Amino acid sequence: DTAVSQTPKYLVTQMGNDKSIKCEQNLGHDTMYWYKQDSKKFLKIMFSYNNKELIINETVPNRFSPKSPDKAHLNLHINSLELGDSAVYFCASSHSGSNAEQYFGPGTRLTVT
Amino acid sequence: AQSVTQPDIHITVSEGASLELRCNYSYGATPYLFWYVQSPGQGLQLLLKYFSGDTLVQGIKGFEAEFKRSQSSFNLRKPSVHWSDAAEYFCAVGDNFNKFYFGSGTKLNVKP
Repeated sequence: DTAVSQTPKYLVTQMGNDKSIKCEQNLGHDTMYWYKQDSKKFLKIMFSYNNKELIINETVPNRFSPKSPDKAHLNLHINSLELGDSAVYFCASSHSGSNAEQYFGPGTRLTVT
Repeated sequence: AQSVTQPDIHITVSEGASLELRCNYSYGATPYLFWYVQSPGQGLQLLLKYFSGDTLVQGIKGFEAEFKRSQSSFNLRKPSVHWSDAAEYFCAVGDNFNKFYFGSGTKLNVKP
């Protein structure tokens, strides 16, 4: 009965590799997000999808490519991983609407060595 | 540009003492304001939110927050802190496009 789930929880990989993180929500929301939390705990939005359509695309290297196969899923693929990509990545979801609260997944801790 | 400032990086309070965490925002229109809590190794959980109406909002776990437009503030309060409240607290402002801007967080330690 998990609301927003992410897999994997931990990901350790080497520089140059390509990896994916998956996110699923069972809340019936139509908007999903990816956030990056750096080592200083600063949270910054990366992408947002509404009904499978990209609506927010922050200044993120194009090595990062989100994909939303349906409203309940938003995956994040990262090519050619770099040391600076090490962070915790959070998926979130909400109803559309400017005052909708966002529900967060447990996070994926990515470590690039 | 929208932004959120949480001036206190760390705060330590004794169990049973009152708590106030500060949050200042910068946003041109009516703000949508949120407080989230993050326990170690966990995701963010919504504590409370403000959209309009009564400027004092109640949330879960005994927390409340007061919106003060004149001071561009949305401070979080709790009358009596419990050891389980030790966590990182984030203030956020949302714009009209569901985009959230988070503060840098305040880490709360609770002394027994």
